[in-house]
Amino acid sequence: GQSLEQPSEVTAVEGAIVQINCTYQTSGFYGLSWYQQHDGGAPTFLSYNALDGLEETGRFSSFLSRSDSYGYLLLQELQMKDSASYFCAVRGNQGGKLIFGQGTELSVKP
Amino acid sequence: DVKVTQSSRYLVKRTGEKVFLECVQDMDHENMFWYRQDPGLGLRLIYFSYDVKMKEKGDIPEGYSVSREKKERFSLILESASTNQTSMYLCASSFVSLAKNIQYFGAGTRLSVL
Repeated sequence: GQSLEQPSEVTAVEGAIVQINCTYQTSGFYGLSWYQQHDGGAPTFLSYNALDGLEETGRFSSFLSRSDSYGYLLLQELQMKDSASYFCAVRGNQGGKLIFGQGTELSVKP
Repeated sequence: DVKVTQSSRYLVKRTGEKVFLECVQDMDHENMFWYRQDPGLGLRLIYFSYDVKMKEKGDIPEGYSVSREKKERFSLILESASTNQTSMYLCASSFVSLAKNIQYFGAGTRLSVL
């Protein structure tokens, strides 16, 4: 089967750095995406990795290792507004379908 | 800005009713998707469509059907609603491309089946 594993919950303090890991097992791989969802809101796209390495977008970075079927989302200088659920998602083929992980609920404490 | 609009934010229906959830996107996207979201289970794909009148089953299609008569509109139909279909339903759309394949989501419809 196809599956993505990520921690269900992570807690960190304001100003800290947090890493949310994602391991995947899929029949095909065309890229790993990350989405953020605030409570009661719509998921929104954060980042995408198709090749190995680090992609940086402001305070957020995302990393991919295709040989390890592993990626992570790194959030720096945490702010209270970063409290949300974060989903990793794999694009398994050339079509538009994504396979989502179960989500990681990040709580940022003062 | 891409806009994906779901017709209802909250919906309460009775067991056995036929339920229609509507989704409209304004960016001429080829792909449209219906997910349901339940605590601890993430986003599970019900159906998706990559063109008008085309549809493919996702991971949990049982008890659901879809309709895509126009490119901008994708409807999810619960033929006979049951209590286990109480959930948050999310619609999304995207372009077909080899690049980032960003999916844009609507705000969701929270459906309660009593």
